[in-house]
Amino acid sequence: EIVLTQSPATLSLSPGERATLSCRASQSVSNFLAWYQQKPGQSPRLLIYDASIRATGIPARFSGSGSGTDFTLTISSLEPEDFAVYYCQQRFNWPPTTFGQGTKVEI
Amino acid sequence: EVQLVESGGGLVQPGGSLRLSCAASGFTFSTYWMNWVRQTPGKGLEWVANINQDGSEEYYVDSVKGRFTISRDNAKNSLYLQMNSLRADDTAVYYCARDAVQDTAMVLFDYWGQGNLVTVSS
Repeated sequence: EIVLTQSPATLSLSPGERATLSCRASQSVSNFLAWYQQKPGQSPRLLIYDASIRATGIPARFSGSGSGTDFTLTISSLEPEDFAVYYCQQRFNWPPTTFGQGTKVEI
Repeated sequence: EVQLVESGGGLVQPGGSLRLSCAASGFTFSTYWMNWVRQTPGKGLEWVANINQDGSEEYYVDSVKGRFTISRDNAKNSLYLQMNSLRADDTAVYYCARDAVQDTAMVLFDYWGQGNLVTVSS
């Protein structure tokens, strides 16, 4: 099973600042890495797939990069609605597909 | 509008059984792989199982193999998760989730239900 480690656990930033979130895989997942956003009381929402492709309707301030074992989600300028928990997910080697433990972006 | 509505959760004793349902609407259910994903405060998000379009292929995470069964009824646009021999560590919010691309297992989840809490406790 591929283990995904996200860092930091919590990121404290202000609106307008840039957020950089990391996800590291225990072995190469090629580019089969996705990012999800989850707000309190809501279900996760798909943001990015295949490391860098934005899902339908996702604003351009969200971008993903990386390949192999190291990936980054960048939010270029935080909007108030972006404060949430972000999870990475690998689908290179499934079953099972696995998720990271999450990074909370807080004000 | 795509909608996934789960039902059937609740409190069950260790060793007991529960059946979750997910009613789908707003898309051609019979052409998508479907998934169950659970979430706990301690372990975060965990994929549980998925099933192909006609129900002939099923996959499970190791921790539920032999205890949980995923199934679907395309005539009723419904997905199910039969959970037997439940344990305390099965306590979680269970989501049904649609695979993002028709006719293939991308194992990407573009639509999620609202979640259904299952609590295993005596």
